[in-house]
Amino acid sequence: SQQGEEDPQALSIQEGENATMNCSYKTSINNLQWYRQNSGRGLVHLILIRSNEREKHSGRLRVTLDTSKKSSSLLITASRAADTASYFCATDERTGGFKTIFGAGTRLFVKA
Amino acid sequence: NAGVMQNPRHLVRRRGQEARLRCSPMKGHSHVYWYRQLPEEGLKFMVYLQKENIIDESGMPKERFSAEFPKEGPSILRIQQVVRGDSAAYFCASSPPAVRPGELFFGEGSRLTVL
Repeated sequence: SQQGEEDPQALSIQEGENATMNCSYKTSINNLQWYRQNSGRGLVHLILIRSNEREKHSGRLRVTLDTSKKSSSLLITASRAADTASYFCATDERTGGFKTIFGAGTRLFVKA
Repeated sequence: NAGVMQNPRHLVRRRGQEARLRCSPMKGHSHVYWYRQLPEEGLKFMVYLQKENIIDESGMPKERFSAEFPKEGPSILRIQQVVRGDSAAYFCASSPPAVRPGELFFGEGSRLTVL
């Protein structure tokens, strides 16, 4: 099952601009996470926001969570060419135990 | 502290052969997850294991695929009688013991090509 869905699928911006990616999910969650994947590499955890939090910051990253709309956004400020990567949101889903489900991702390209 | 180690990084198999992918979790982590990724797509959950126990295998195909995480040694994802559609990147992730999943630590993946 696909829990998180990112929007847009792809985003191309100039260096220095801000990049905003959105994620929608279907069921109630305990937390929502954002990960980054450089081409051909494994995923790297960026930030986790709990269901009772509305906003969280980490360096140039800002994540918001709206549980009433079942949506989250990831904002990368002052983007750099090195931010070029795919970004995935992930939520926990309970089926017996718990598992982390990933969305299809947003492919961000930052032009120098 | 070594990260999640996956091997082989690249594996080529002919149709009908078996593929074995190995994953050693981070030290102290007792939970292992396997995901599959096709080019330009997201990660599809396959299976969630703890030591000697399969917690959730709802994403595993009913046939040819199996996974284990023995008391000693790495977790193994085994694909029997591979077909071309099995070609993909297989990622392993681990996490410390917890009631609900938090941050996952990923390996660099094993890329399977079926000729």
